[in-house]
Amino acid sequence: QKEVEQNSGPLSVPEGAIASLNCTYSDRGSQSFFWYRQYSGKSPELIMSIYSNGDKEDGRFTAQLNKASQYVSLLIRDSQPSDSATYLCAVNRGSTLGRLYFGRGTQLTVWP
Amino acid sequence: KAGVTQTPRYLIKTRGQQVTLSCSPISGHRSVSWYQQTPGQGLQFLFEYFSETQRNKGNFPGRFSGRQFSNSRSEMNVSTLELGDSALYLCASSLRSNTEAFFGQGTRLTVV
Repeated sequence: QKEVEQNSGPLSVPEGAIASLNCTYSDRGSQSFFWYRQYSGKSPELIMSIYSNGDKEDGRFTAQLNKASQYVSLLIRDSQPSDSATYLCAVNRGSTLGRLYFGRGTQLTVWP
Repeated sequence: KAGVTQTPRYLIKTRGQQVTLSCSPISGHRSVSWYQQTPGQGLQFLFEYFSETQRNKGNFPGRFSGRQFSNSRSEMNVSTLELGDSALYLCASSLRSNTEAFFGQGTRLTVV
């Protein structure tokens, strides 16, 4: 079983729609959860962090965490073509200090 | 506030050579981690340094090494380069473990 798994995608949504990205993790002791956006040929950019159960909203982005289900998601409301990128879910297990475990990413395309 | 700076941005080396990559973290950040990103394997953890000490090492051969200096700047070295070492090498800095990690632009290494 992989440490972090993301829905395989690719995901394609029309402009203005809600994009839903999902991620599950295997280590129940995981403590910190992050979403990164990576444009083609660029480095990952941190867009959301979440540490406790529930929802966290930042502009058009909402991260949701359910530790009991070992599940974290990212919702992008009012999707824009500029949101087209690969979204990476990353998990810090705590026990492994600063190491992040990454999913393989979900490629999102927002079409006009 | 300056971000994470990696140098050089691009490198072309031949098999058997060695290479040194540099990373300057965000001011005040003491944790520096290195990752290798390839299309086939995704983001793979190399190592993490905190206050000049390596705290974590990923599953890479001993040809991959690193260090951190007292000003938190970090270098990684790859000796006896192989074609399979061609990748994007990413450095991430964070204030401390378990907090948000920010990536530099990366160094694109091509081994020919």
